[in-house]
Amino acid sequence: EIVLTQSPGTLSLSPGERATLSCRASQHVSSSFFAWYQQKPGQAPRLVIYGTSTRATGIPDRFSGSGSGTDFTLTISGLQPEDFGVYYCQQYGSSSWSFGQGTTVEIK
Amino acid sequence: QLKLQESGPGLVRPSETLSLTCGVSGASISSRDNYWGWIRQPPWKGLEWIGSIYYSGSTYYNSSLKSRVTISIDTSKNQFSLTLTSVTAADTAVYYCVKPIFGVPSGGYFDPWGQGTLVIVSP
Repeated sequence: EIVLTQSPGTLSLSPGERATLSCRASQHVSSSFFAWYQQKPGQAPRLVIYGTSTRATGIPDRFSGSGSGTDFTLTISGLQPEDFGVYYCQQYGSSSWSFGQGTTVEIK
Repeated sequence: QLKLQESGPGLVRPSETLSLTCGVSGASISSRDNYWGWIRQPPWKGLEWIGSIYYSGSTYYNSSLKSRVTISIDTSKNQFSLTLTSVTAADTAVYYCVKPIFGVPSGGYFDPWGQGTLVIVSP
């Protein structure tokens, strides 16, 4: 089982600032099978990035994903009020899925 | 547009069986190469993949839950189901049904998600 570890646990930022979220895997993950989700209180998670760097439908271009192997990053350039929430990374491999524990992006 | 909707009891007694159903609209559950799945989220905690099922009926389960979980497809009702036996308070969570996507060149992600249903395990 691949374990995903996200850092930091919480990011306190002001609107307009850049957010950099990290996700480290315990084993190699195919870039094709790595994704990020955003979750707001009381809502289901929403797909943000898939295939490491492809934005999902309706996701603005201030969101970008990068990485390979065991280290992946989600960057939000110019935080907007609607971007605050919890972000989860997720991988698929060998017929098994796993999530990171989440990074909370909060308003400073 | 594909939509998923969970349904089932909101309260289950300890040691009993949790059963949830996910209604699918906007697609045929038996369409070739489709996967379907379940994810849960305990209150104030992160996401946990429970398991997934392929249109052919092949199943894939989280190793930590495998002995208690069954996911099945009902093509006549265009829905799929989750059964979790011998529940404890640790199984209290919001349960989401999801659509795993496999495309070219990327895949293995979940989209869409159902709205989620809270299941409380309590005497």
